[in-house]
Amino acid sequence: DQQVKQNSPSLSVQEGRISILNCDYTNSMFDYFLWYKKYPAEGPTFLISISSIKDKNEDGRFTVFLNKSAKHLSLHIVPSQPGDSAVYFCAASLNVGQLTFGSGTQLTVLP
Amino acid sequence: EAGVTQSPTHLIKTRGQQATLRCSPISGHTSVYWYQQALGLGLQFLLWYDEGEERNRGNFPPRFSGRQFPNYSSELNVNALELEDSALYLCASSYAGTGNQQYFGPGTRLTVT
Repeated sequence: DQQVKQNSPSLSVQEGRISILNCDYTNSMFDYFLWYKKYPAEGPTFLISISSIKDKNEDGRFTVFLNKSAKHLSLHIVPSQPGDSAVYFCAASLNVGQLTFGSGTQLTVLP
Repeated sequence: EAGVTQSPTHLIKTRGQQATLRCSPISGHTSVYWYQQALGLGLQFLLWYDEGEERNRGNFPPRFSGRQFPNYSSELNVNALELEDSALYLCASSYAGTGNQQYFGPGTRLTVT
């Protein structure tokens, strides 16, 4: 039972263009969503989050959009940089203490 | 500020043995979380400790256990190791009541042969 799904295992984008990473969830009770970035041999690094009462949150080059009716969130990175190449995980929270993660999307930004 | 630290970096064990993994949270954080990332899969929630108590556990058998010490560091123990326990084990920490923003350590790579 995969409650958080990232259907694209990989994504390649040209440097300077927009990267859009997608995530779907099934549990309508999730009230908080997060994106993490992970480099090989390192732990995930928190990127950006959004509460279920909002539909957009922006932080520099990163914007997260939440569509509750579609149970869908996306992460936009503009402009994409080669250093953004990493695995991106979306995660959802029902309450404090447990994050449910998707399987990740490998983003490759081509110079 | 030092981040979450984990030891050892790598651990190789034989099937049937026990493994002990350690985690030190960020100073001031009282909650510690353990996750398993098996090859090709996302992070699966294992355990959550806060103020020395186990608050929640994921869908893992009882041979996965742990504890949290008075200094908030934590140990994950895996008994009767099986080949499928081979994975990256990640520890995260957060302030009490703010478990949504968890900060992760670099992980321990456990290999069971």
